[in-house]
Amino acid sequence: DAGVTQSPTHLIKTRGQQVTLRCSPKSGHDTVSWYQQALGQGPQFIFQYYEEEERQRGNFPDRFSGHQFPNYSSELNVNALLLGDSALYLCASSLDRPYSGNTIYFGEGSWLTVV
Amino acid sequence: SQQGEEDPQALSIQEGENATMNCSYKTSINNLQWYRQNSGRGLVHLILIRSNEREKHSGRLRVTLDTSKKSSSLLITASRAADTASYFCAQQGGSEKLVFGKGTKLTVNP
Repeated sequence: DAGVTQSPTHLIKTRGQQVTLRCSPKSGHDTVSWYQQALGQGPQFIFQYYEEEERQRGNFPDRFSGHQFPNYSSELNVNALLLGDSALYLCASSLDRPYSGNTIYFGEGSWLTVV
Repeated sequence: SQQGEEDPQALSIQEGENATMNCSYKTSINNLQWYRQNSGRGLVHLILIRSNEREKHSGRLRVTLDTSKKSSSLLITASRAADTASYFCAQQGGSEKLVFGKGTKLTVNP
């Protein structure tokens, strides 16, 4: 049973460029969330997708956008990259069972370096 | 901003010793989840403890939760060099998102 898979694992972009990161959730999971983890910090919630809709969003600008496909996989897009966007981007998946406490699994992440 | 805090920020122990990490949070929770992160890697789920639970065990791991004090602790018994990693607690309240602290960096010396 494959866990959460992300691609690419590492990438380098120039300021002002755009980037797309991809995520396939754990088999059977229908909910995908994205987190940004700066060096030495804990992950911060970007947004969550369920049934192809953005269900919840953290404190991130509109430059950060996402998409969820019918097969539950997801993309994170970041436009007009800034140096401060350099971070580990983590995808997390879970099964939508509100209020019951659902284990949330993370992928290995995509390291983004903006130069 | 992050709502939780882990304590201590860094912990160095010898193999075979026990390691205790604490986590405090500010708002009410549905559950709290502990994760391990090896350097530069993804998060590995360790234990989920619900708000109506006080203690859970998994192998060498023991997690306690005190909702009156808004705190949790993770105990790793008989630590091994392979336990060297950063450990995060993450709170999940009424929404689906997890709120993380900055983590505790554990070093287990052989």
